[in-house]
Amino acid sequence: SAVISQKPSRDICQRGTSLTIQCQVDSQVTMMFWYRQQPGQSLTLIATANQGSEATYESGFVIDKFPISRPNLTFSTLTVSNMSPEDSSIYLCSVERQGVRAYGYTFGSGTRLTVV
Amino acid sequence: GQSLEQPSEVTAVEGAIVQINCTYQTSGFYGLSWYQQHDGGAPTFLSYNALDGLEETGRFSSFLSRSDSYGYLLLQELQMKDSASYFCAVRSGNTGGFKTIFGAGTRLFVKA
Repeated sequence: SAVISQKPSRDICQRGTSLTIQCQVDSQVTMMFWYRQQPGQSLTLIATANQGSEATYESGFVIDKFPISRPNLTFSTLTVSNMSPEDSSIYLCSVERQGVRAYGYTFGSGTRLTVV
Repeated sequence: GQSLEQPSEVTAVEGAIVQINCTYQTSGFYGLSWYQQHDGGAPTFLSYNALDGLEETGRFSSFLSRSDSYGYLLLQELQMKDSASYFCAVRSGNTGGFKTIFGAGTRLFVKA
């Protein structure tokens, strides 16, 4: 399976500022997925990032708040803009598992964001 | 709409067997997967069932019944390190695209 390096691992940010989270994959992948997980809760898909096209956002998430870049097949960034305490969460990037029969995801280690 | 239900917590004794159930409602169902997540860690993939029946991977097995919209994860010979949250996830869609929705997670406590 692919190995994903995600950073930062955690950050404490002031409200009104922005944070950019980076994910680097050790192999080329078509799609990268960004999830949010609030403490003790499930994973919610924010958007799907394809290289060379605009990201596709899920209901409740908008590009102005969560701009995504996908400059090549191994890298993506998610920015959390104009942060408020409600944005405090764990943000995870993921890719589809490659070359195996069973369908699933490999996740980055996550970014634990606290907005104060 | 789409929904998944799984118990919020399960407690079991070391060495025992535990079953975590998952029921789902969705259209365009393709498969059910399971993930393990330790506190402070990322989810890790455990299994995927697209067809009815049991899939075994070591101490972990996963079952699917498409007609009942039901599946479960079976953990045998429980170890303390199995204490974690377990998520079921449904993959659904059509030729226009696929989506994976995660359940709320089941927190497993393994006692000595």
